Amino acid sequence: AQSVTQPDIHITVSEGASLELRCNYSYGATPYLFWYVQSPGQGLQLLLKYFSGDTLVQGIKGFEAEFKRSQSSFNLRKPSVHWSDAAEYFCAVGSLSSGYALNFGKGTSLLVTP
Amino acid sequence: DAGVIQSPRHEVTEMGQEVTLRCKPISGHNSLFWYRQTMMRGLELLIYFNNNVPIDDSGMPEDRFSAKMPNASFSTLKIQPSEPRDSAVYFCASSLDLGQGAYEQYFGPGTRLTVT
Repeated sequence: AQSVTQPDIHITVSEGASLELRCNYSYGATPYLFWYVQSPGQGLQLLLKYFSGDTLVQGIKGFEAEFKRSQSSFNLRKPSVHWSDAAEYFCAVGSLSSGYALNFGKGTSLLVTP
Repeated sequence: DAGVIQSPRHEVTEMGQEVTLRCKPISGHNSLFWYRQTMMRGLELLIYFNNNVPIDDSGMPEDRFSAKMPNASFSTLKIQPSEPRDSAVYFCASSLDLGQGAYEQYFGPGTRLTVT
């Protein structure tokens, strides 16, 4: 069965520290991978996406993610976190065989401390 | 450029009442999705349309829920009758599908529904 796992429900980092949010997937086909961010009371905003090519992708707000096929992972990283990065982060996966739908993880809540 | 527009942003209603949520997708997008988000269940896909046609409604929880897309620029999600357990944030999202699989979806701000 297709699934997306975000192992960390909550993560706390200090402002200025580096960040890595984990995402693992189980898909039979080549996946399309996305990271979204949701600020309180807001909709989901696309941070970055991976379809093919270079496995290290750059997104908005200084975020990047690396696709590792051997580990079935698509972890999100940022070298220096800002207080405004506090939000909920969702990993999502689709594939050519899944048609239009995306499969979302449960999300990771990021808290940034001074 | 306007994003996905949803209305109302907040809705409070009493159990048993009919609720209609509205969505205007991004102009030119041909796929539309309705999601429900709760603390317990996370983000759930309810239904999606492609070129105004419902493709998969397997996520619609029960017959009290219905969705329509009469044209490319408008969709509704109706709950009748509403129940307290329907309280959630409902998101609409749209995407441009070029027939090659799942493309990125753009989300509206959501409608927070409270059923008392």
